[in-house]
Amino acid sequence: SAVISQKPSRDICQRGTSLTIQCQVDSQVTMMFWYRQQPGQSLTLIATANQGSEATYESGFVIDKFPISRPNLTFSTLTVSNMSPEDSSIYLCSVGGGRLAGELFFGEGSRLTVL
Amino acid sequence: GNSVTQMEGPVTLSEEAFLTINCTYTATGYPSLFWYVQYPGEGLQLLLKATKADDKGSNKGFEATYRKETTSFHLEKGSVQVSDSAVYFCALSDAGGGADGLTFGKGTHLIIQP
Repeated sequence: SAVISQKPSRDICQRGTSLTIQCQVDSQVTMMFWYRQQPGQSLTLIATANQGSEATYESGFVIDKFPISRPNLTFSTLTVSNMSPEDSSIYLCSVGGGRLAGELFFGEGSRLTVL
Repeated sequence: GNSVTQMEGPVTLSEEAFLTINCTYTATGYPSLFWYVQYPGEGLQLLLKATKADDKGSNKGFEATYRKETTSFHLEKGSVQVSDSAVYFCALSDAGGGADGLTFGKGTHLIIQP
């Protein structure tokens, strides 16, 4: 299994500001993903965080809005840039692949409210 | 592209009732199928999975059978408990769930009343 810690767990942000969410895993993992869960909606994959290279973004998500870092196999950050109220969501980090093959593990999420 | 459709909630049942949460999917190839559960205030946890047609996943009294002919993966439990109250997500992956991201359904909020 994998234990995932996300920070912050929740925050209230002002329009136009940026916030960085951190994801720390207790062991090295092959794949790290960032998801968004908007109020009353399902989880939507934002991007795959690639270690040592640029993240791979899903349709509708761009690097300028959601820059992602993954400096090593246990840590990643997601920044939500120039926030608007539409960015109010839960952002979740998940890990999988390699020794975790067949299952994705999720952090508890970071609940962002943009005023 | 891939998609997952699951029944809208909330679903409210009495304790010891029989539960079915429907899930159907659209995918290219032969996906793996999953049910995740999110208890109040907690992160998502894998409940069960099936990786090929006719496989049955089971855990904590819940079961789901991978039906390729009907592209379905319905979640069932014979006798629900108050502690089963949670949001349940059906999901699929084209790559076994570990090497690629998952496609999720919208989630079904289950409320079990004593």
